[in-house]
Amino acid sequence: SQTIHQWPATLVQPVGSPLSLECTVEGTSNPNLYWYRQAAGRGLQLLFYSVGIGQISSEVPQNLSASRPQDRQFILSSKKLLLSDSGFYLCAWSGDRGHYGYTFGSGTRLTVV
Amino acid sequence: AQSVTQLDSHVSVSEGTPVLLRCNYSSSYSPSLFWYVQHPNKGLQLLLKYTSAATLVKGINGFEAEFKKSETSFHLTKPSAHMSDAAEYFCVVSDRGNNRLAFGKGNQVVVIP
Repeated sequence: SQTIHQWPATLVQPVGSPLSLECTVEGTSNPNLYWYRQAAGRGLQLLFYSVGIGQISSEVPQNLSASRPQDRQFILSSKKLLLSDSGFYLCAWSGDRGHYGYTFGSGTRLTVV
Repeated sequence: AQSVTQLDSHVSVSEGTPVLLRCNYSSSYSPSLFWYVQHPNKGLQLLLKYTSAATLVKGINGFEAEFKKSETSFHLTKPSAHMSDAAEYFCVVSDRGNNRLAFGKGNQVVVIP
């Protein structure tokens, strides 16, 4: 069966520090991969999605970036965090263009101080 | 582009009484529809999905939803609320052939003992 792993679960980082969140999927090949951010009271915002290795689409301008170095690995990064980057970050995967839904990771609670 | 409307951002129900969460959607194509549940600081868990088969869909934990094309609705119901149902619920739509999901803003459900 397919599983998705996301870590760390919680992270407290100072303003201006770098960020790296990792997400890996097991049990499937060539998944579509997504990074979402969930800020308090603002629902889920799609940040990046990827349909293959090295293929990244950015949905919103920001100081975050994403990379997909391997088929089942998706990384969210920042060179310098801002206070506004605080939030709950969710990784997800889908097959078949999301027709059957997405499977979400357990999330990372990022607090920038 | 597809979109979802969830009214009543906060819903309070008494334990043992029915739960009704309303969802209306817009979609250019035949949609797939989903309900996800999120407990605090957790990822999103799929409750149920409609993907063009039976219009009455049964999910986990006693939830069900009915797809009504004429009303563009996909309301979530449960006959009897349990304390463990306290969580946030998201209605989600995916257009066929579209690699995107549209999320509603969510319903925060509180169960009163």
